[in-house]
Amino acid sequence: EADIYQTPRYLVIGTGKKITLECSQTMGHDKMYWYQQDPGMELHLIHYSYGVNSTEKGDLSSESTVSRIRTEHFPLTLESARPSHTSQYLCASSPSGQANQETQYFGPGTRLLVL
Amino acid sequence: DAKTTQPPSMDCAEGRAANLPCNHSTISGNEYVYWYRQIHSQGPQYIIHGLKNNETNEMASLIITEDRKSSTLILPHATLRDTAVYYCIVRPSGKYGNKLVFGAGTILRVKS
Repeated sequence: EADIYQTPRYLVIGTGKKITLECSQTMGHDKMYWYQQDPGMELHLIHYSYGVNSTEKGDLSSESTVSRIRTEHFPLTLESARPSHTSQYLCASSPSGQANQETQYFGPGTRLLVL
Repeated sequence: DAKTTQPPSMDCAEGRAANLPCNHSTISGNEYVYWYRQIHSQGPQYIIHGLKNNETNEMASLIITEDRKSSTLILPHATLRDTAVYYCIVRPSGKYGNKLVFGAGTILRVKS
């Protein structure tokens, strides 16, 4: 199982602040993902990356941006946080292979509350 | 994409087998069935996956019907720590196969 870490685990911040959610994995996985999950609701893919310098938007529109400068690191940034961004953000990674056989492993998540 | 249908909730007695069903009647030949669970809003945890044959690992067994239109996840001896939301996901073949599309899942409550 992949070792994948997210920091911070919990974040309470005021409207208008810039925030970066960190995600790192130590398994050398090429592919990484960000999902968003509102309380009691389904997970939705918001960003993914196939490797360094590769990023794509997911199925759910998000005002956040991502970067992939190093294989192990996939941070997510909100330039100006708003209460509508309050949610749980989950990072995942998977090794490369046949796409529908790549098992994704998830981090513990970051719970964001924007006041 | 093949859609899945799961019961919204199930109860299971501690120590008994938990059998979680999933219908995926529109699944096509190259699409895998994956199971994840999410315990109290933690990150989803991978459980098992399969294509045609039944699969077993240290966590669970996956039984896929011969026509592949449904499957059952079996937790052989459920414990209180198995209380979670269980997601059955069918992954398409091709370039979109890397995406996991989570539905509402089944809330499994294991009771003592």
